[in-house]
Amino acid sequence: QKEVEQNSGPLSVPEGAIASLNCTYSDRGSQSFFWYRQYSGKSPELIMFIYSNGDKEDGRFTAQLNKASQYVSLLIRDSQPSDSATYLCAVKTSYDKVIFGPGTSLSVIP
Amino acid sequence: DGGITQSPKYLFRKEGQNVTLSCEQNLNHDAMYWYRQDPGQGLRLIYYSQIVNDFQKGDIAEGYSVSREKKESFPLTVTSAQKNPTAFYLCATGGLAGFNEQFFGPGTRLTVL
Repeated sequence: QKEVEQNSGPLSVPEGAIASLNCTYSDRGSQSFFWYRQYSGKSPELIMFIYSNGDKEDGRFTAQLNKASQYVSLLIRDSQPSDSATYLCAVKTSYDKVIFGPGTSLSVIP
Repeated sequence: DGGITQSPKYLFRKEGQNVTLSCEQNLNHDAMYWYRQDPGQGLRLIYYSQIVNDFQKGDIAEGYSVSREKKESFPLTVTSAQKNPTAFYLCATGGLAGFNEQFFGPGTRLTVL
């Protein structure tokens, strides 16, 4: 089992819709969870982090964490074409290592 | 102007050559990391350093070397022993306290001719 898993996509949503990106992790003791956005040919940019169960909202972005299910998600409301990118989930494990998932490609269709 | 700089942006290497990728930061972060990203792949950790004059191997250290002589600098050398070096190389920095979020430089794209 891979330590951090994401659906590779591509995930396509129409403009204005909610995009839902999912990530599961294997280390039950993981402490912190991060979402990065990476545009094609560019470096990853940190957009959200969460460390406690529940929801964390920042503008159009909401991160959701469920430690019992070992699941973290990112919701993007009112999706825009400029949101088209690859989204990387990263997890800080109980042994203090940050593991990145393979990323999910999102395409927002005008 | 705070941030992380990587140079060069593009680098071409002939077979058998060693090349060095530069990473400099003025964020006063203790930790620095080197990752490799191949097309359609996630990030793989090459080396990391949490303090000056100390560094640790990551998951794919073979064929690479690093140094950390200054807090601000963490250069990566890709040696001729690295058999498939063509990739996008990313340097990241972060604090040691708190949530350990990492921040990335713009990257260097290395191509072997």
